[in-house]
Amino acid sequence: GAGVSQSPSNKVTEKGKDVELRCDPISGHTALYWYRQRLGQGLEFLIYFQGNSAPDKSGLPSDRFSAERTGESVSTLTIQRTQQEDSAVYLCASSSDSLGGKKQFFGPGTRLTVL
Amino acid sequence: GESVGLHLPTLSVQEGDNSIINCAYSNSASDYFIWYKQESGKGPQFIIDIRSNMDKRQGQRVTVLLNKTVKHLSLQIAATQPGDSAVYFCAETSDMDTGRRALTFGSGTRLQVQP
Repeated sequence: GAGVSQSPSNKVTEKGKDVELRCDPISGHTALYWYRQRLGQGLEFLIYFQGNSAPDKSGLPSDRFSAERTGESVSTLTIQRTQQEDSAVYLCASSSDSLGGKKQFFGPGTRLTVL
Repeated sequence: GESVGLHLPTLSVQEGDNSIINCAYSNSASDYFIWYKQESGKGPQFIIDIRSNMDKRQGQRVTVLLNKTVKHLSLQIAATQPGDSAVYFCAETSDMDTGRRALTFGSGTRLQVQP
């Protein structure tokens, strides 16, 4: 596609439920990132995928958070047993694997509200 | 759309004036810096980047200045227009052992352009 897409755009869930967020990166981009943005704050790194290498999960805040990526395409971020503090916008970004690949292109985000 | 930040520092300028948005970073090892623009309800949009071997880079109506001595970055927008109203984030990154290039974001500045 022309850019990074994410779905759903909005998700409202009840505390304790599991949610799954989807990211479709730009075609051909080997690197994929997930970030979390709480209201009024900057972006927090969650997890990074690069090709077939093991993902860097160092930013995941707890074991309730997990993510998968199929090859160099779609990624899903799963939050189990959601808590109210999980409410935020979850942003996905992708970049190409080149010397200029540090430039990350962001999707529109999924706004998660946990009641 | 969602408000990106309710409690961000705000810069208010008149249409046609020049704007200067400042950012301080803390990691002396950072070697790549980006400015992003984020409009309400959207993901961050790339504006301009600069590598640490440069101290100035110009784009269309925008200039980024880097002062590595004091770890300071600024974004200058010439002839500010109402469409420039948004939250602006600086971001930095550096080579890490894992090779990932996750961005570390500043807290953001809201730019309001008065017509």
